[in-house]
Amino acid sequence: QTVVTQEPAFSVSPGGTVTLTCGLSSGSVSTSYYPSWYQQTPGQAPRTLIYSTNTRSSGVPDRFSGSILGNKAALTITGAQADDESDYYCVLYMGSGISVFGGGTKLTVL
Amino acid sequence: EVQLVESGGGLVRPGGSLRLSCAASGFIVKNNYMSWVRQAPGKGLEWVSVIYGGDTTYYADSVKGRFTISRDNSKNTLYLQMNSLRAEDTAMYYCAIYTVTDYFDNWGQGTLVTVSS
Repeated sequence: QTVVTQEPAFSVSPGGTVTLTCGLSSGSVSTSYYPSWYQQTPGQAPRTLIYSTNTRSSGVPDRFSGSILGNKAALTITGAQADDESDYYCVLYMGSGISVFGGGTKLTVL
Repeated sequence: EVQLVESGGGLVRPGGSLRLSCAASGFIVKNNYMSWVRQAPGKGLEWVSVIYGGDTTYYADSVKGRFTISRDNSKNTLYLQMNSLRAEDTAMYYCAIYTVTDYFDNWGQGTLVTVSS
């Protein structure tokens, strides 16, 4: 069974830059997996940030960007702000109608 | 404005059934792919099911054979029929539009399902 991997936790200083990654337990992530990224704060529904690797969803600030770095998908936050402190999830499309979420990364801004 | 509102959650005993609803406004459900995603308490998000045009459906292995996704075009509503419920099905259930470029958008606020005796 394919597992989508994310760092369990990360921290960044206010104003700093952080890159979260999304990998596969076996193999490399490419654009063919249509990686997408979601932000979730406690008690709230997820919010769509990035889709199709690097396209920002409507209303998402340009300090959020997506890419492929090496063999993983990546979400980079440039100029982190306090309200970026959230859980971040990636999703990879596996084909045949199946999507798999990563385990999520808890981002702390301090 | 696109809006999704889930309902139908509650407390159910193991082995029981529940039907979740997701009422849509601002767009037409039958013209879109739709999906259910769940989140167990304190855990991450888990994809549950998707319904494509033509009513083709797919399910996560964890719910296959027990859950059924469907939609009522006259009510512009998405459903998730959940049978043979287990404790591990306890979660907040979210509906979302599943776009043609394979991502989830316009999430609802969720409905909580608790499976416990």
